[in-house]
Amino acid sequence: GDSVTQMEGPVTLSEEAFLTINCTYTATGYPSLFWYVQYPGEGLQLLLKATKADDKGSNKGFEATYRKETTSFHLEKGSVQVSDSAVYFCALTGTYKYIFGTGTRLKVLA
Amino acid sequence: ETGVTQTPRHLVMGMTNKKSLKCEQHLGHNAMYWYKQSAKKPLELMFVYSLEERVENNSVPSRFSPECPNSSHLFLHLHTLQPEDSALYLCASSQDFGTDYYEQYFGPGTRLTVT
Repeated sequence: GDSVTQMEGPVTLSEEAFLTINCTYTATGYPSLFWYVQYPGEGLQLLLKATKADDKGSNKGFEATYRKETTSFHLEKGSVQVSDSAVYFCALTGTYKYIFGTGTRLKVLA
Repeated sequence: ETGVTQTPRHLVMGMTNKKSLKCEQHLGHNAMYWYKQSAKKPLELMFVYSLEERVENNSVPSRFSPECPNSSHLFLHLHTLQPEDSALYLCASSQDFGTDYYEQYFGPGTRLTVT
């Protein structure tokens, strides 16, 4: 069945460091891909999305490109801030349902 | 504030208790969802309601019983739970269900502890 694999966390970075969180997927057909973010004490919020191959989603300085050839959707940010500390979930829609990864916790130190 | 509220935010219950979780969405959406979030596991989709009809039930034990009285409200009734049911229960909504792409809006969750 469809699945999403994320790198295990936690990821700890200093402020202004470069961020990459890896995400790979397995799916039949052509799913849409997403990154959701969960701040402490809150539910998940959509961060960015891409609906077809080679699309780049971007929001709040975060980017991810839908790579069909490598079945990947890695999340990147050039300069992280303390306020980016959260849990990040990669997800896809397969057969009309969301499939989420396990989440990657990011901690940014001042 | 995502437009989806959940009560209570925290709940401690014994294995013989009966309790209910409540979710309300103020977005005019047609689909609502219950998820279970456990540490180091992917979010588990439990139930999906579309236009107040249950369209998905992912082999969830019968000690969890959902109810959707209207398109704005969703309940999860709990009885005779087990300690392994302790988790964060998230409610979500989306405009529709069954299309290729739809954004989900999540509530803050109910942290459930079963003693």
